[in-house]
Amino acid sequence: GAVVSQHPSWVICKSGTSVKIECRSLDFQATTMFWYRQFPKQSLMLMATSNEGSKATYEQGVEKDKFLINHASLTLSTLTVTSAHPEDSSFYICSASNSHGSSGRAAGELFFGEGSRLTVL
Amino acid sequence: GDSVTQMEGPVTLSEEAFLTINCTYTATGYPSLFWYVQYPGEGLQLLLKATKADDKGSNKGFEATYRKETTSFHLEKGSVQVSDSAVYFCALSDTGGFKTIFGAGTRLFVKA
Repeated sequence: GAVVSQHPSWVICKSGTSVKIECRSLDFQATTMFWYRQFPKQSLMLMATSNEGSKATYEQGVEKDKFLINHASLTLSTLTVTSAHPEDSSFYICSASNSHGSSGRAAGELFFGEGSRLTVL
Repeated sequence: GDSVTQMEGPVTLSEEAFLTINCTYTATGYPSLFWYVQYPGEGLQLLLKATKADDKGSNKGFEATYRKETTSFHLEKGSVQVSDSAVYFCALSDTGGFKTIFGAGTRLFVKA
């Protein structure tokens, strides 16, 4: 199956610093990438949708200036948590999709990164 | 709008027991349906999928059938193993494949 790689898998930072998380699709062109946040024992909360070459679309309640998303190419999207605070500590997960589908894959089928656990001290 | 409802967990079973996790959906058009699994400390992985009515998705002994008449996509496995302990998410993707809606997730514990 398709592979999506997310890096770093975990990061600890001091309050006030910025952290960048990368999401790469390794073997297919991801027209769309999604960023989620997951709190312990809860479902995924979609934060934003990014399409290659255009601005990300943020879900209601997600601060655009806090969570900067860049999708500069069909294989890379980044999430930067700016001026991180302890309440930003969470598990962040990306997924990639080729929205039109392809051989053996359903339209809208998602391929997830391994997740990045952020702890802000 | 589109939505996915799945049974609340946690579900606790003994090894070799039969598993059913219910999932129902509401959607316009013709969505694709998915089950994703999340093992502890990991991201989600696609478990199985179905793209049209009456399709049966299957993988690793798990099965789910796309039932349009009951708008359901229940996950089943005949004999669970300890290694199946994870959180299972039912999801649908809209007709264009542009948006995925997840259920709340069902945590499964399998005891030896």
